[in-house]
Amino acid sequence: EVRLVDSGGALIQPGGSLRLSCVASGFAFDTSAMSWVRQAPGKGLEWVSAISASDSTYFADSVRGRFAISRDKSSNTLYLQMSSLRVEDTAVYFCAKGPIITLPAFDSWGQGTLVTVAS
Amino acid sequence: DIQLTQSPSFLSASVGDRVTITCRASQDLRHFLAWYQQIPGKAPKLLIFSASTLQSGVPSRFSGSGSGSDFSLTISGLQPEDFATYYCQQFYNFPYTFGRGTKVEIK
Repeated sequence: EVRLVDSGGALIQPGGSLRLSCVASGFAFDTSAMSWVRQAPGKGLEWVSAISASDSTYFADSVRGRFAISRDKSSNTLYLQMSSLRVEDTAVYFCAKGPIITLPAFDSWGQGTLVTVAS
Repeated sequence: DIQLTQSPSFLSASVGDRVTITCRASQDLRHFLAWYQQIPGKAPKLLIFSASTLQSGVPSRFSGSGSGSDFSLTISGLQPEDFATYYCQQFYNFPYTFGRGTKVEIK
């Protein structure tokens, strides 16, 4: 069974840094594309960042230069390192698995972790 | 960036109704479109990928159609557990944009 467990969310002051984690199990994490998606309170879904099967990285314009995505294949963990945080980064952050060629979508999601940026 | 315009943004329907949600893209996506259902406080759940392929385990009352820039999600016979918010998302290129969502509420 595929399982994604998000953690690391916290209350952080503007300008601060935070690292989110997503522990994966039940699939070949080391060769899977993964993404982070966020949802501000009461708002829709926003794709944030992706790491491809070959570890190329991609970012939304709103976070490029401030966020970094990486993975530790030895512990099956996906990370989102967030710096220079802004009030508008406040959201629930979800990790998501995919896409693959035969299934171009996010077929599994973590439960989400809340990041609140406020003074 | 590719823009996805979902409509309606809100709809009120009764159990048993057939409802259709549309998603229009700002450019040709071929078939690289997915649909998700989100219940408040929960993670999104994949319903449809590649515009019309039903994800494993999803009830057959959900169906997707379309290609290019016009897509739709149809629920044939709304059930109480279907009252939720639905999102489309494109996987044609980065950034993987979402539509703004359609909230389906009980009439």
